[in-house]
Amino acid sequence: DAGVTQSPTHLIKTRGQQVTLRCSPKSGHDTVSWYQQALGQGPQFIFQYYEEEERQRGNFPDRFSGHQFPNYSSELNVNALLLGDSALYLCASSPAGRGSETQYFGPGTRLLVL
Amino acid sequence: GQNIDQPTEMTATEGAIVQINCTYQTSGFNGLFWYQQHAGEAPTFLSYNVLDGLEEKGRFSSFLSRSKGYSYLLLKELQMKDSASYLCAVRDLRSNDYKLSFGAGTTVTVRA
Repeated sequence: DAGVTQSPTHLIKTRGQQVTLRCSPKSGHDTVSWYQQALGQGPQFIFQYYEEEERQRGNFPDRFSGHQFPNYSSELNVNALLLGDSALYLCASSPAGRGSETQYFGPGTRLLVL
Repeated sequence: GQNIDQPTEMTATEGAIVQINCTYQTSGFNGLFWYQQHAGEAPTFLSYNVLDGLEEKGRFSSFLSRSKGYSYLLLKELQMKDSASYLCAVRDLRSNDYKLSFGAGTTVTVRA
């Protein structure tokens, strides 16, 4: 039973570029949440997707957008990258769509913006 | 939103016990989670408390007091592999609030 998977594992971009990160949820999970974790900090909620729609959003600018596909996998897109976007981006999945279940995290994508 | 506070660092000796405290302020409460995160890796789920009291899982236990906005994670019989960051996270009770709000994490260093 595969857990949450994310790709790529590492990424280096320059300011102003765009990036797309991918996540496949754990088998049986239909809800995907994205978090940004800066060095030495706890994860910060970006948004959550359920039934291919953004269900809730954290305090992130519109440069951060996402998508969920019919197979429940998800993408996080960040436009016009800033140096401050350098962080570990974590995807978490949970079952049943109620949002009240435990979230399980993937290994993350480490993004470095130069 | 939530204010979640936990100590930045703790050090303990192999075989000892360490208690990591977490205090939170929230307009509602719908569960508290503890995650373990080794350096450079993803957080892994340790425990979930929604009612007052102690939940025990092997060497790890978690306690919750909703009236005090307080939780702790107790790590017993510490092993070197327990050196990691421990994250406290809270979920709000308000409708349509599905996110987890995390503290900054407590880095635990286990010494021989």
